Amino acid sequence: GAVVSQHPSWVICKSGTSVKIECRSLDFQATTMFWYRQFPKQSLMLMATSNEGSKATYEQGVEKDKFLINHASLTLSTLTVTSAHPEDSSFYICSAPDRLSSYNSPLHFGNGTRLTVT
Amino acid sequence: EDKVVQSPLSLVVHEGDTVTLNCSYEVTNFRSLLWYKQEKKAPTFLFMLTSSGIEKKSGRLSSILDKKELFSILNITATQTGDSAIYLCAVEDGGSEKLVFGKGTKLTVNP
Repeated sequence: GAVVSQHPSWVICKSGTSVKIECRSLDFQATTMFWYRQFPKQSLMLMATSNEGSKATYEQGVEKDKFLINHASLTLSTLTVTSAHPEDSSFYICSAPDRLSSYNSPLHFGNGTRLTVT
Repeated sequence: EDKVVQSPLSLVVHEGDTVTLNCSYEVTNFRSLLWYKQEKKAPTFLFMLTSSGIEKKSGRLSSILDKKELFSILNITATQTGDSAIYLCAVEDGGSEKLVFGKGTKLTVNP
């Protein structure tokens, strides 16, 4: 079945540094990928929609200059958390629909990245 | 604004019990409703529902959608400790393909 690979699975960084998270669709092409964030004991909140070959669209309240998204190919989207702060510590998950093989296929999730900013 | 409400938020049962989890929604352009199970990491897909009244079943889990009343239920029969998890309901907006998640139901199954 369709697989989405996310890397790294966890990362610890110092405040002020930048962290890049990669999301790859392994056996299908994804023109769209979604980035979610999940704080402890809360649900997944959509941050942005990554569009191959064009700019990402951000949800209200998400700073586009802080969370840089690049979708340079049909199988790779990256999320860079710039100048990370402790309040950015969270679980980040990407997902992608495999619409080319089946219009009704559900979103496939990566395994998530646990970011801790010290 | 699209909205998904799950109830209860938390549920504690004993092994062997049957549970019903609820999900109601409001969405501008409904495409599908999905149920996911989340343990320690990313959610794993359970069901995708697009049509009213058709029950989807997988082992001890089943789910059904009512598009007129805008809700879905997830049933788990003969619960086991391995069913302990957060169960997430999400609705897909057909226009944007975005998934809007509910807050989840935390199910704890005690031996």
